[in-house]
Amino acid sequence: AQKITQTQPGMFVQEKEAVTLDCTYDTSDPSYGLFWYKQPSSGEMIFLIYQGSYDQQNATEGRYSLNFQKARKSANLVISASQLGDSAMYFCAMRESQNTGGFKTIFGAGTRLFVKA
Amino acid sequence: DAGVIQSPRHEVTEMGQEVTLRCKPISGHDYLFWYRQTMMRGLELLIYFNNNVPIDDSGMPEDRFSAKMPNASFSTLKIQPSEPRDSAVYFCASSLANPLEAFFGQGTRLTVV
Repeated sequence: AQKITQTQPGMFVQEKEAVTLDCTYDTSDPSYGLFWYKQPSSGEMIFLIYQGSYDQQNATEGRYSLNFQKARKSANLVISASQLGDSAMYFCAMRESQNTGGFKTIFGAGTRLFVKA
Repeated sequence: DAGVIQSPRHEVTEMGQEVTLRCKPISGHDYLFWYRQTMMRGLELLIYFNNNVPIDDSGMPEDRFSAKMPNASFSTLKIQPSEPRDSAVYFCASSLANPLEAFFGQGTRLTVV
């Protein structure tokens, strides 16, 4: 079963508009973390935002916010005022603890965002 | 800090040859991860270390793959013998002991011909 599901392979958004990228997750770990990364065409992985499972408020970082709905197990990324430079692949990731005492971070399949001028 | 440093950035090798990828994590980070990214399978966690000790290598695809972390500032991922299906981008990432985000290196693009 998929632990991280990103149902949108590709998305288009008009420059200066907001866009929501969907992410749902599955875990039985009560303490977990959720992340979003951006991968531009140059290939590097850029951390955007983090949400802990016990955080009461939705995380925000500049134009990025995470719409965390714990009961629905969703962690959607909202990008406000899209810019051309936001065109990239976006990955949702989840960190959960392991029986070994460590933790593991797994990634979704990604959503490719295209920002139109 | 210079961030996570991987070398080489690109590697082209012939099938059957040994390939060694290198990673220097961010100083002070206790966790180190090796990921592989392909179009077909996306980002896969291969193995991760905590304080230089391998914790979970269940993602390592075959015995041809091995990883070591001899000290806190260096790790290698070795493929021997390499096969064309190993062609991918290999990322190394590190994070703090109280893990928040993982910081990624620039990746090594491996092509096996």
